[in-house]
Amino acid sequence: DTGVSQDPRHKITKRGQNVTFRCDPISEHNRLYWYRQTLGQGPEFLTYFQNEAQLEKSRLLSDRFSAERPKGSFSTLEIQRTEQGDSAMYLCASSLGGTTEAFFGQGTRLTVV
Amino acid sequence: RKEVEQDPGPFNVPEGATVAFNCTYSNSASQSFFWYRQDCRKEPKLLMSVYSSGNEDGRFTAQLNRASQYISLLIRDSKLSDSATYLCVVRGLTGGGNKLTFGTGTQLKVEL
Repeated sequence: DTGVSQDPRHKITKRGQNVTFRCDPISEHNRLYWYRQTLGQGPEFLTYFQNEAQLEKSRLLSDRFSAERPKGSFSTLEIQRTEQGDSAMYLCASSLGGTTEAFFGQGTRLTVV
Repeated sequence: RKEVEQDPGPFNVPEGATVAFNCTYSNSASQSFFWYRQDCRKEPKLLMSVYSSGNEDGRFTAQLNRASQYISLLIRDSKLSDSATYLCVVRGLTGGGNKLTFGTGTQLKVEL
Protein backbone atom coordinates (compact mmCIF):
# COMPACT_ATOMS: atom_id res chain seq x y z
CA ASP A 1 0.00 0.00 0.00
CA THR A 2 1.63 3.23 -1.11
CA GLY A 3 -0.94 5.64 0.32
CA VAL A 4 -0.78 7.74 3.46
CA SER A 5 -0.87 5.59 6.57
CA GLN A 6 -1.71 6.60 10.12
CA ASP A 7 -1.21 4.76 13.36
CA PRO A 8 -3.06 3.98 15.52
CA ARG A 9 -6.48 3.99 13.88
CA HIS A 10 -8.22 4.36 17.20
CA LYS A 11 -7.04 5.62 20.58
CA ILE A 12 -8.97 5.82 23.84
CA THR A 13 -7.19 7.65 26.62
CA LYS A 14 -7.96 9.06 30.02
CA ARG A 15 -8.07 12.80 30.51
CA GLY A 16 -4.68 14.13 31.44
CA GLN A 17 -2.68 11.48 29.61
CA ASN A 18 -0.32 12.17 26.71
CA VAL A 19 -0.89 10.62 23.30
CA THR A 20 1.22 10.43 20.16
CA PHE A 21 0.08 9.69 16.64
CA ARG A 22 2.19 8.76 13.66
CA CYS A 23 1.76 9.54 9.97
CA ASP A 24 3.69 8.04 7.06
CA PRO A 25 3.12 10.10 3.91
CA ILE A 26 3.36 8.95 0.32
CA SER A 27 7.09 8.46 -0.13
CA GLU A 28 7.90 11.17 -2.68
CA HIS A 29 5.63 13.81 -1.11
CA ASN A 30 7.49 16.67 0.51
CA ARG A 31 4.48 18.35 2.13
CA LEU A 32 2.68 16.87 5.11
CA TYR A 33 -0.41 18.28 6.81
CA TRP A 34 -2.23 17.59 10.04
CA TYR A 35 -5.95 18.30 10.38
CA ARG A 36 -8.54 17.71 13.08
CA GLN A 37 -12.17 16.91 12.32
CA THR A 38 -15.17 16.77 14.62
CA LEU A 39 -18.64 15.53 13.77
CA GLY A 40 -20.47 17.72 11.28
CA GLN A 41 -17.47 19.91 10.55
CA GLY A 42 -14.91 20.02 7.80
CA PRO A 43 -11.26 19.24 8.55
CA GLU A 44 -9.63 22.02 10.58
CA PHE A 45 -6.03 22.89 9.81
CA LEU A 46 -3.49 22.24 12.56
CA THR A 47 -0.05 22.45 10.99
CA TYR A 48 2.02 21.56 7.95
CA PHE A 49 5.57 20.69 7.00
CA GLN A 50 7.65 21.08 3.91
CA ASN A 51 10.27 18.38 4.27
CA GLU A 52 11.40 18.68 7.91
CA ALA A 53 10.49 22.36 8.31
CA GLN A 54 7.24 23.24 10.08
CA LEU A 55 5.99 26.14 7.95
CA GLU A 56 2.73 27.02 9.60
CA LYS A 57 0.91 26.24 12.81
CA SER A 58 -2.70 27.15 13.50
CA ARG A 59 -3.18 29.75 16.19
CA LEU A 60 -6.00 27.55 17.42
CA LEU A 61 -3.42 24.96 18.41
CA SER A 62 -2.62 25.19 22.09
CA ASP A 63 0.80 24.62 23.60
CA ARG A 64 -0.29 21.10 24.46
CA PHE A 65 -0.01 20.14 20.80
CA SER A 66 3.32 19.57 19.09
CA ALA A 67 4.26 18.03 15.78
CA GLU A 68 7.56 16.91 14.33
CA ARG A 69 8.88 15.58 11.06
CA PRO A 70 12.52 15.02 11.99
CA LYS A 71 13.86 13.51 8.76
CA GLY A 72 11.34 14.87 6.35
CA SER A 73 9.58 11.52 6.08
CA PHE A 74 7.14 10.37 8.77
CA SER A 75 5.58 12.80 11.24
CA THR A 76 4.31 12.58 14.79
CA LEU A 77 1.61 14.62 16.49
CA GLU A 78 1.69 14.68 20.29
CA ILE A 79 -1.05 15.94 22.57
CA GLN A 80 -0.06 16.46 26.18
CA ARG A 81 -2.48 16.48 29.10
CA THR A 82 -5.42 15.50 26.93
CA GLU A 83 -8.83 17.07 27.52
CA GLN A 84 -12.27 15.83 26.54
CA GLY A 85 -12.42 18.57 23.91
CA ASP A 86 -9.50 16.94 22.14
CA SER A 87 -11.74 14.04 21.13
CA ALA A 88 -11.82 14.11 17.33
CA MET A 89 -10.53 12.46 14.19
CA TYR A 90 -6.93 13.48 13.49
CA LEU A 91 -6.18 13.37 9.79
CA CYS A 92 -2.82 13.44 8.06
CA ALA A 93 -2.38 14.33 4.41
CA SER A 94 0.53 14.67 2.03
CA SER A 95 1.14 16.34 -1.30
CA LEU A 96 3.90 16.83 -3.82
CA GLY A 97 4.72 20.50 -3.64
CA GLY A 98 2.28 23.24 -2.85
CA THR A 99 0.00 23.22 -5.84
CA THR A 100 -1.21 19.68 -6.20
CA GLU A 101 -4.02 17.92 -4.40
CA ALA A 102 -3.45 16.36 -1.00
CA PHE A 103 -4.04 12.70 -0.22
CA PHE A 104 -5.38 11.77 3.18
CA GLY A 105 -4.73 8.88 5.50
CA GLN A 106 -7.59 7.06 7.18
CA GLY A 107 -7.15 9.10 10.33
CA THR A 108 -6.71 8.40 14.01
CA ARG A 109 -9.88 8.62 16.04
CA LEU A 110 -9.13 9.89 19.54
CA THR A 111 -11.57 9.51 22.39
CA VAL A 112 -10.69 11.16 25.70
CA VAL A 113 -12.68 9.80 28.63
CA ARG B 1 -16.60 35.36 8.21
CA LYS B 2 -15.40 31.83 7.58
CA GLU B 3 -12.65 31.44 4.99
CA VAL B 4 -14.68 28.87 3.05
CA GLU B 5 -18.47 28.74 3.36
CA GLN B 6 -20.86 26.04 2.23
CA ASP B 7 -24.50 25.25 2.82
CA PRO B 8 -24.34 22.20 5.13
CA GLY B 9 -27.54 20.71 3.73
CA PRO B 10 -28.62 17.95 3.80
CA PHE B 11 -29.74 17.87 0.20
CA ASN B 12 -32.18 14.99 -0.23
CA VAL B 13 -32.72 14.24 -3.92
CA PRO B 14 -34.27 11.37 -5.89
CA GLU B 15 -32.09 9.14 -7.98
CA GLY B 16 -31.53 10.66 -11.41
CA ALA B 17 -31.89 14.25 -10.25
CA THR B 18 -29.45 17.05 -10.93
CA VAL B 19 -28.08 18.80 -7.86
CA ALA B 20 -25.78 21.80 -7.45
CA PHE B 21 -23.59 22.83 -4.53
CA ASN B 22 -22.13 26.27 -4.01
CA CYS B 23 -19.15 27.51 -2.08
CA THR B 24 -17.70 30.95 -1.42
CA TYR B 25 -14.22 31.82 -0.23
CA SER B 26 -12.92 34.97 1.41
CA ASN B 27 -9.25 35.09 0.39
CA SER B 28 -8.88 36.66 -3.04
CA ALA B 29 -5.26 35.41 -3.17
CA SER B 30 -6.40 31.79 -3.18
CA GLN B 31 -4.64 29.84 -5.87
CA SER B 32 -6.08 26.35 -6.19
CA PHE B 33 -9.53 24.93 -5.71
CA PHE B 34 -10.82 21.41 -5.20
CA TRP B 35 -13.89 19.40 -4.41
CA TYR B 36 -13.34 16.48 -2.05
CA ARG B 37 -15.82 13.75 -1.22
CA GLN B 38 -16.07 12.25 2.26
CA ASP B 39 -18.07 9.16 3.10
CA CYS B 40 -19.31 8.62 6.64
CA ARG B 41 -16.41 7.94 9.04
CA LYS B 42 -13.91 7.83 6.17
CA GLU B 43 -11.14 10.15 5.06
CA PRO B 44 -11.72 12.88 2.44
CA LYS B 45 -10.85 11.88 -1.11
CA LEU B 46 -10.27 14.15 -4.07
CA LEU B 47 -13.27 14.32 -6.38
CA MET B 48 -11.91 16.90 -8.80
CA SER B 49 -9.80 19.99 -9.11
CA VAL B 50 -11.53 23.18 -10.22
CA TYR B 51 -10.07 25.21 -13.07
CA SER B 52 -10.82 28.77 -14.10
CA SER B 53 -12.31 27.67 -17.40
CA GLY B 54 -14.56 25.14 -15.71
CA ASN B 55 -14.11 21.42 -16.04
CA GLU B 56 -16.15 18.28 -16.34
CA ASP B 57 -15.57 14.69 -15.28
CA GLY B 58 -18.37 12.41 -16.33
CA ARG B 59 -21.50 13.44 -14.45
CA PHE B 60 -19.62 16.06 -12.42
CA THR B 61 -19.03 19.65 -13.52
CA ALA B 62 -17.07 22.22 -11.52
CA GLN B 63 -17.05 25.96 -12.09
CA LEU B 64 -14.93 28.77 -10.64
CA ASN B 65 -15.77 32.46 -10.62
CA ARG B 66 -12.72 34.33 -9.31
CA ALA B 67 -14.41 37.73 -9.47
CA SER B 68 -17.21 36.59 -7.18
CA GLN B 69 -14.96 34.18 -5.24
CA TYR B 70 -17.45 31.42 -5.87
CA ILE B 71 -17.09 27.73 -6.71
CA SER B 72 -19.80 25.31 -7.75
CA LEU B 73 -20.24 21.59 -8.26
CA LEU B 74 -23.00 20.15 -10.42
CA ILE B 75 -23.91 16.48 -10.28
CA ARG B 76 -26.12 15.16 -13.06
CA ASP B 77 -28.10 11.90 -13.02
CA SER B 78 -27.49 11.34 -9.30
CA LYS B 79 -26.78 7.80 -8.17
CA LEU B 80 -27.37 6.26 -4.76
CA SER B 81 -23.59 5.91 -4.51
CA ASP B 82 -23.21 9.70 -4.74
CA SER B 83 -24.55 10.00 -1.18
CA ALA B 84 -21.72 11.57 0.79
CA THR B 85 -20.46 14.89 2.12
CA TYR B 86 -18.88 17.17 -0.46
CA LEU B 87 -16.12 19.43 0.81
CA CYS B 88 -15.09 22.63 -0.91
CA VAL B 89 -11.34 23.17 -0.52
CA VAL B 90 -9.24 26.23 -1.21
CA ARG B 91 -5.45 26.54 -1.22
CA GLY B 92 -4.03 30.01 -0.74
CA LEU B 93 -1.31 32.17 0.65
CA THR B 94 -2.86 32.83 4.04
CA GLY B 95 -0.51 33.90 6.79
CA GLY B 96 2.50 33.23 4.60
CA GLY B 97 1.59 29.59 4.26
CA ASN B 98 0.06 27.45 1.60
CA LYS B 99 -2.42 25.34 3.49
CA LEU B 100 -5.65 23.75 2.33
CA THR B 101 -8.74 25.28 3.91
CA PHE B 102 -11.92 23.22 4.01
CA GLY B 103 -15.53 24.24 4.16
CA THR B 104 -17.84 22.46 6.57
CA GLY B 105 -19.12 20.26 3.77
CA THR B 106 -22.49 19.78 2.11
CA GLN B 107 -24.28 16.53 2.82
CA LEU B 108 -26.00 14.82 -0.10
CA LYS B 109 -28.51 11.99 0.25
CA VAL B 110 -29.70 10.36 -2.94
CA GLU B 111 -32.89 8.36 -2.45
CA LEU B 112 -34.84 5.81 -4.49
